Amino acid sequence: GNSVTQMEGPVTLSEEAFLTINCTYTATGYPSLFWYVQYPGEGLQLLLKATKADDKGSNKGFEATYRKETTSFHLEKGSVQVSDSAVYFCALSEGTSYDKVIFGPGTSLSVIP
Amino acid sequence: NAGVTQTPKFQVLKTGQSMTLQCAQDMNHNSMYWYRQDPGMGLRLIYYSASEGTTDKGEVPNGYNVSRLNKREFSLRLESAAPSQTSVYFCASSEAAGLAGTNEQFFGPGTRLTVL
Repeated sequence: GNSVTQMEGPVTLSEEAFLTINCTYTATGYPSLFWYVQYPGEGLQLLLKATKADDKGSNKGFEATYRKETTSFHLEKGSVQVSDSAVYFCALSEGTSYDKVIFGPGTSLSVIP
Repeated sequence: NAGVTQTPKFQVLKTGQSMTLQCAQDMNHNSMYWYRQDPGMGLRLIYYSASEGTTDKGEVPNGYNVSRLNKREFSLRLESAAPSQTSVYFCASSEAAGLAGTNEQFFGPGTRLTVL
C-alpha cells in the first residue's frame, strides 16, 4: 500500500543553518503531498503542500518540490530559527472520496542559538 | 472562530473504564477524523466520517467506536480502556471542497490519555 518514509531524527542545528529533511513516498496513483508541523503541546498544522508533479510548495521560508521521478518531497529552509523547533511530518493523500492522509513518522528538529 | 476543539486535554483511566473524547469544529467542514499519535509511528487513523451521517474504520479501529452527532461534532468512545490505548488523540476536519485528496486537514490540540 501507499506509505511515507522520512529521515530519522532528532535533528539538531544551529540557528541560521541550512535545513533538509528527506521524505520519500510509495503510491500507486498521483497523490498530493504535504508537510505538516507540530509545535510542542499543539496539534499539527499544514506547512505547505503540492498537488501535482513538479509543483513547489512554500511557506514561512520552507520549500519542497514534488519530484515524481524520485518519488520525493524533501523539505528545505535556507536559514533556520529557534522558533522552527518542532516535529515535521511528511504526508500524502490518496485522493479517494475523502481526504485520507498517510503520515510519515515525523522528524524532530531542535534549533539552538 | 475556534477551529477544532477537543475535550478533555488530559485524562487518566484505569483498565476497563470507559470514556468519550469530544471533538467539535466550527468551520462547516464535511469530513472529520480521529487519529492516535504514538512515538515513532506518526499519526494513525482510527475512524473517519467523510460526511454527516457516515462513519468508517481507519487503520486502527479495534477498541474504539465513534459517533458523528451532527456536522459539527464527532466523538470517540473507548468502551473498555486498555494500557495499549495510552496515546495522544487528535481530532481533525477537512473541507473536501476541492478535489478529494488535495485539502488541508485542521487539527485540534489533542487529548493526552493514560490508561493504567
